[in-house]
Amino acid sequence: ELKVEQNPLFLSMQEGKNYTIYCNYSTTSDRLYWYRQDPGKSLESLFVLLSNGAVKQEGRLMASLDTKARLSTLHITAAVHDLSATYFCAVVFMDSNYQLIWGAGTKLIIKP
Amino acid sequence: NAGVTQTPKFQVLKTGQSMTLQCAQDMNHNSMYWYRQDPGMGLRLIYYSASEGTTDKGEVPNGYNVSRLNKREFSLRLESAAPSQTSVYFCASSELGRAYSNQPQHFGDGTRLSIL
Repeated sequence: ELKVEQNPLFLSMQEGKNYTIYCNYSTTSDRLYWYRQDPGKSLESLFVLLSNGAVKQEGRLMASLDTKARLSTLHITAAVHDLSATYFCAVVFMDSNYQLIWGAGTKLIIKP
Repeated sequence: NAGVTQTPKFQVLKTGQSMTLQCAQDMNHNSMYWYRQDPGMGLRLIYYSASEGTTDKGEVPNGYNVSRLNKREFSLRLESAAPSQTSVYFCASSELGRAYSNQPQHFGDGTRLSIL
């Protein structure tokens, strides 16, 4: 079964703190995406990770991929209120005809 | 720079009514997708069209039909709406294939559909 699991599903944290969101997937993947969604809004692409050991950074967000462990992480450094959103990972599995399988999302609330 | 445009943005239907959700993209993408988003469940693929003239079922196709009208437009139809189809519907577009593996799907703003 093609599954993508995120944890935690909900995270409340203080500004200035660091935290990591985890995305596990069930079988060999072709690529992995991270998206951000603000309440009532569309989904915005953050990162595309294509190979083992890939690391991408944008501002206070850094994403990495370990294909052997079937794990991606989204690390937040010195969180600020503007990063409050729901974060989704999505995986393209081998032989899935390029369909994305989505995690349930991590709702992140950053308190001033 | 419209990207992916969905209409309508909001709709309330009664059980048994029909309606069509419209989606158009101006990025010249070959592939288009319809998802539904329910609380706590991420996105689930309803139907997709890998290229003009083709459509395929996704994870949750029952109760829906689609039409790929041309390269730009991909519509989703509910023939007889049911309360279980209350959801937020997103259309997306992208290119497929390994040559485009570094490109994400681009999403519309969504249609919020309530069925009473």
